Amino acid sequence: DTGVSQDPRHKITKRGQNVTFRCDPISEHNRLYWYRQTLGQGPEFLTYFQNEAQLEKSRLLSDRFSAERPKGSFSTLEIQRTEQGDSAMYLCASTPQGRGPSTDTQYFGPGTRLTVL
Amino acid sequence: AQRVTQPEKLLSVFKGAPVELKCNYSYSGSPELFWYVQYSRQRLQLLLRHISRESIKGFTADLNKGETSFHLKKPFAQEEDSAMYYCALSASAGGTSYGKLTFGQGTILTVHP
Repeated sequence: DTGVSQDPRHKITKRGQNVTFRCDPISEHNRLYWYRQTLGQGPEFLTYFQNEAQLEKSRLLSDRFSAERPKGSFSTLEIQRTEQGDSAMYLCASTPQGRGPSTDTQYFGPGTRLTVL
Repeated sequence: AQRVTQPEKLLSVFKGAPVELKCNYSYSGSPELFWYVQYSRQRLQLLLRHISRESIKGFTADLNKGETSFHLKKPFAQEEDSAMYYCALSASAGGTSYGKLTFGQGTILTVHP
């Protein structure tokens, strides 16, 4: 399967613990996005990478959140000192080299569902 | 700021009936609009985008800049169209968002036999 993959698919943790999620984009896609989706809402943008450079971070991304894409391939999203309000589906998407800054089709992964007890 | 509104959380129609999923947006620049769909137990995927002016699975959507709308339409709904539909907006060329999508809350479409 050459689609976007995310690991783990489900994570249950206790409040205060740290968690890390991984996203593997489609090969050679240089843009990678993280979104968060809570129940009954559409996905909300968290952050964006072009290759290894993190170009934008949403105000939703508090200091407890950090994302990396060290080699311009896979990406990790870490949440430190988790809170119950962090419970959500975390989605990753990637796009190939675009035709300028316009959006190309975003290919989404299956998501990681986080539950903070 | 970008904002997308989908006023209907739920929409039910019978097979063969026309369907229209509403989407309104707020954006000061020239947006790019998309419809994404999520079928049961599947991942989110692109259905169509306004710039392509295409019809996918019988669905069409016209960008109306005057009414700031991008409603999704299909003349004859099918049971397999039942899914969650999201309208999404992206900043146009020249912005720094480079494809960041702003999604609406989504509309669950149910097509009854």
